[in-house]
Amino acid sequence: AQSVTQLDSHVSVSEGTPVLLRCNYSSSYSPSLFWYVQHPNKGLQLLLKYTSAATLVKGINGFEAEFKKSETSFHLTKPSAHMSDAAEYFCVVRSNTGKLIFGQGTTLQVKP
Amino acid sequence: DTAVSQTPKYLVTQMGNDKSIKCEQNLGHDTMYWYKQDSKKFLKIMFSYNNKELIINETVPNRFSPKSPDKAHLNLHINSLELGDSAVYFCASSQWLPRGIEQYFGPGTRLTVT
Repeated sequence: AQSVTQLDSHVSVSEGTPVLLRCNYSSSYSPSLFWYVQHPNKGLQLLLKYTSAATLVKGINGFEAEFKKSETSFHLTKPSAHMSDAAEYFCVVRSNTGKLIFGQGTTLQVKP
Repeated sequence: DTAVSQTPKYLVTQMGNDKSIKCEQNLGHDTMYWYKQDSKKFLKIMFSYNNKELIINETVPNRFSPKSPDKAHLNLHINSLELGDSAVYFCASSQWLPRGIEQYFGPGTRLTVT
């Protein structure tokens, strides 16, 4: 069975500093992995996806993630945080039946 | 144009009532989903339909009944609402492929049962 674990429930950074949101996955086969973002009282927006092509995936708004099979990780990074990045971030794995399995979420706080 | 839309956006109702949430997508996708987000923001799938056929039915009380009249619509009917049904319900859609396809989410319906 597939699962994802987000290692931090809350991350706080200062504006202009790097962002690192950590995610480990468990899958019996090569997974499809995603990061989604949810701004307060909004729906979910896809940031980026990994589908067994390049291991370094670039997404929207300057975010990227690296798939590391040896570490079973798919961490999300951004070189410089903006105030508008403050939101809830979900690491997600797609099961072979098509359903998305969500991590617990990481709240990103960006301080001025 | 809105890709995945849901109505209503907010729904406040009393225990014991029956209510419906509607979802429509104009992306030409053949698969639609319902997810529930609880008060701790945890998201979990409830149902999925592919070409109007139910393909995923998680452990959900049978008070919840999805209906898909066509590929572009997926509705959720809830009977005898309970306090624990209070949550945000998200509809999503995608193309059905063996792997790797992202899902597009609607804005959510916040259901409050009093």
